[in-house]
Amino acid sequence: GDSVTQMEGPVTLSEEAFLTINCTYTATGYPSLFWYVQYPGEGLQLLLKATKADDKGSNKGFEATYRKETTSFHLEKGSVQVSDSAVYFCARSGYSTLTFGKGTMLLVSP
Amino acid sequence: EPEVTQTPSHQVTQMGQEVILRCVPISNHLYFYWYRQILGQKVEFLVSFYNNEISEKSEIFDDQFSVERPDGSNFTLKIRSTKLEDSAMYFCAIGPGQGYEQYFGPGTRLTVT
Repeated sequence: GDSVTQMEGPVTLSEEAFLTINCTYTATGYPSLFWYVQYPGEGLQLLLKATKADDKGSNKGFEATYRKETTSFHLEKGSVQVSDSAVYFCARSGYSTLTFGKGTMLLVSP
Repeated sequence: EPEVTQTPSHQVTQMGQEVILRCVPISNHLYFYWYRQILGQKVEFLVSFYNNEISEKSEIFDDQFSVERPDGSNFTLKIRSTKLEDSAMYFCAIGPGQGYEQYFGPGTRLTVT
């Protein structure tokens, strides 16, 4: 079935460091790909999306490019802030579902 | 971004009791979903609902679970006889259609004792 694999966390960075969180997905069908963010005690917020190969989703300084050849959708940010500390979930669309990765916790220290 | 509210924010119940979790989509989307997240684990799909029918459900969504949209606005998830392992955060989501993004509510934390 559909699956999404994310790098294990936590990822610990200093403020202004470069962030990469790896995500790969199963290549069945033509999924849309998403990154969601979950701040402590809150629900899931859509961070960005890409609907077809080579699309780049971006929002709030975060970017991810839909790479069909490597079945990847890695999340990047050039300079993280303390306020970016959260759990990040990669997801792919299915028939009428979203399949999520296990989530990667990001901890940013001042 | 479309809004979804959920009530209650936290529900504590005893094993074997029935619970009803409620979701109120503020915006006008056609597809409704329930997901759950056991503490520290991944978000898992339970069921999708379109045009007053279940369109897809997971293995988790067994006969103990049911969904309905009784008055055209609220969307409910009922667990008939709760078990300890039903303790989790339950998220309602809405979306414009299959393959598109989904917008999540803040969740209901269900604790079964």
